[in-house]
Amino acid sequence: AQSVTQLDSQVPVFEEAPVELRCNYSSSVSVYLFWYVQYPNQGLQLLLKYLSGSTLVKGINGFEAEFNKSQTSFHLRKPSVHISDTAEYFCAVSEGTSGSRLTFGEGTQLTVNP
Amino acid sequence: ETGVTQTPRHLVMGMTNKKSLKCEQHLGHNAMYWYKQSAKKPLELMFVYNFKEQTENNSVPSRFSPECPNSSHLFLHLHTLQPEDSALYLCASSPELAGVSTGELFFGEGSRLTVL
Repeated sequence: AQSVTQLDSQVPVFEEAPVELRCNYSSSVSVYLFWYVQYPNQGLQLLLKYLSGSTLVKGINGFEAEFNKSQTSFHLRKPSVHISDTAEYFCAVSEGTSGSRLTFGEGTQLTVNP
Repeated sequence: ETGVTQTPRHLVMGMTNKKSLKCEQHLGHNAMYWYKQSAKKPLELMFVYNFKEQTENNSVPSRFSPECPNSSHLFLHLHTLQPEDSALYLCASSPELAGVSTGELFFGEGSRLTVL
């Protein structure tokens, strides 16, 4: 069975600083990996996804993530954050087969301070 | 406007009440889902519908009863709930069932349920 661990429950940063949100997964088969973002009082929105190909994936709002198979990680990064990036970020994994389900991590609250 | 609309946004109910949550998607998708989001816990998949047919019930207690009259509408009927059922209930849709594995999920804003 697959599982996802988000190593930090809360990440406070100052505006314009770089940020990395960490995600590790475990699975016995090849996987698809995702990051979703949830702004206050809203549903989840897909930020980016890795299905195959280049291990560096670029998403919306200047975010990117790198798939590292040997370390079973899919960390999310942004070189310079804005106040508007304050939100909860969820890492998710599926086993890449038709009908497989997404398993979500517990989420990381990113708070960007002025 | 996300394409997936949930009503009501907030609901407070007693343990003996009967209420329903509604979800409507305007995206022409064929698969719809109910998720439960509790504080500091991963999202829990509750039910999956594909072309109006339920394809998955993830060991959800019978006090939660889903209904999918067509591919655009999904309901969650609630009765004799417990305080621990208080959570944010999220509806999602995808173009097809395989979309759940490729991340093509589109979420509504959720219905915040409080059970007293």
